[in-house]
Amino acid sequence: NAGVTQTPKFRILKIGQSMTLQCTQDMNHNYMYWYRQDPGMGLKLIYYSVGAGITDKGEVPNGYNVSRSTTEDFPLRLELAAPSQTSVYFCASSYGGLDGYTFGSGTRLTVV
Amino acid sequence: TQLLEQSPQFLSIQEGENLTVYCNSSSVFSSLQWYRQEPGEGPVLLVTVVTGGEVKKLKRLTFQFGDARKDSSLHITAAQPGDTGLYLCAAPMEYGNKLVFGAGTILRVKS
Repeated sequence: NAGVTQTPKFRILKIGQSMTLQCTQDMNHNYMYWYRQDPGMGLKLIYYSVGAGITDKGEVPNGYNVSRSTTEDFPLRLELAAPSQTSVYFCASSYGGLDGYTFGSGTRLTVV
Repeated sequence: TQLLEQSPQFLSIQEGENLTVYCNSSSVFSSLQWYRQEPGEGPVLLVTVVTGGEVKKLKRLTFQFGDARKDSSLHITAAQPGDTGLYLCAAPMEYGNKLVFGAGTILRVKS
């Protein structure tokens, strides 16, 4: 039972480069989320999806994009990396209601 | 300004001590969740509390939801080094099953 799988685990980008953070879940959850975690700031919601084909902005969406073509996959795209995007990124999924989130193990991204 | 304020920000104690961490808000929530996060990993759900005044126990951990559903506490009895981690509280926002998280309490239990 893999749960939520994120790749890569670490990445260093140069300013202006682009990359896609991959996230896949095998629990058939409708809800999926991308959060970023910065020291002392908790988790901030970037984008979320309530089902295949439906996405919406969270609290801090600028500089990011997402797509949800299947129930399983929810990739996060950074188009023009900036130092402010240095962070740890977590993907999560949920069945909904009172069920909690299942998180991936994160991607640590450094933009230099 | 955080919607959920957690205190203390950092706690370092000796093995065997008791401790309480808090999660406070001016908003009323339908439920509240607690997560624990270890270094290099994602948060893991510990408990969900739903009813005002509710108390839930998970081995040495006791969770309470405030009567007015604006606050919650986590009490650990006889802390062990394995309890070390970041403790996060989270509450649901409106549509989309979205959670807002507090900034967390970093707990370090020394042996």
